[in-house]
Amino acid sequence: GAVVSQHPSRVICKSGTSVKIECRSLDFQATTMFWYRQFPKQSLMLMATSNEGSKATYEQGVEKDKFLINHASLTLSTLTVTSAHPEDSSFYICSARITYEQYFGPGTRLTVT
Amino acid sequence: AQKITQTQPGMFVQEKEAVTLDCTYDTSDQSYGLFWYKQPSSGEMIFLIYQGSYDEQNATEGRYSLNFQKARKSANLVISASQLGDSAMYFCAMIRAGGTSYGKLTFGQGTILTVHP
Repeated sequence: GAVVSQHPSRVICKSGTSVKIECRSLDFQATTMFWYRQFPKQSLMLMATSNEGSKATYEQGVEKDKFLINHASLTLSTLTVTSAHPEDSSFYICSARITYEQYFGPGTRLTVT
Repeated sequence: AQKITQTQPGMFVQEKEAVTLDCTYDTSDQSYGLFWYKQPSSGEMIFLIYQGSYDEQNATEGRYSLNFQKARKSANLVISASQLGDSAMYFCAMIRAGGTSYGKLTFGQGTILTVHP
């Protein structure tokens, strides 16, 4: 089956620093990947759609300059949280799409101290 | 706009019993898909079952079945013979089949299922 990996699985960083999260499709090519954010016991909120070779499309209310997305190849998308603050602490999940199916990565738990 | 509503924040079921998790949706699209995902405490999203809007038969996958009532816009998940490992958060989600939002998933609020021994 299609496998999506995320790295790192957990990261703790200091306020004001930047953190990069990688999302890779391991055994398939994904022209479209999605980035979600999830707070404890809440639903997944779509942050942005990442398209290979073009700029990401951000959902309303998501700061483009804070959450930088780069889809450099058909198997890799990265999310960089710039100048992180404690309120950015959350669970970040990526997914990769094949036709109508989405395959999710295992998620990255970000804690900003 | 599309909307998914899960009205049960938490559900309890006895081991080996069946349980139904509710999901209603709102869309003006004719073509769409409905998913159920399981999210254990580890955080991974596990695909359970899919129903296309034009599928005439209810989807089934092992112990999971989807009770699809298109006219009522409901897509309830039925888990038969519950197991302790079924304890998790369950999400209903909808995907658009076309348009500029193609491929985007809209999630419901989730239902936390607890299976008692």
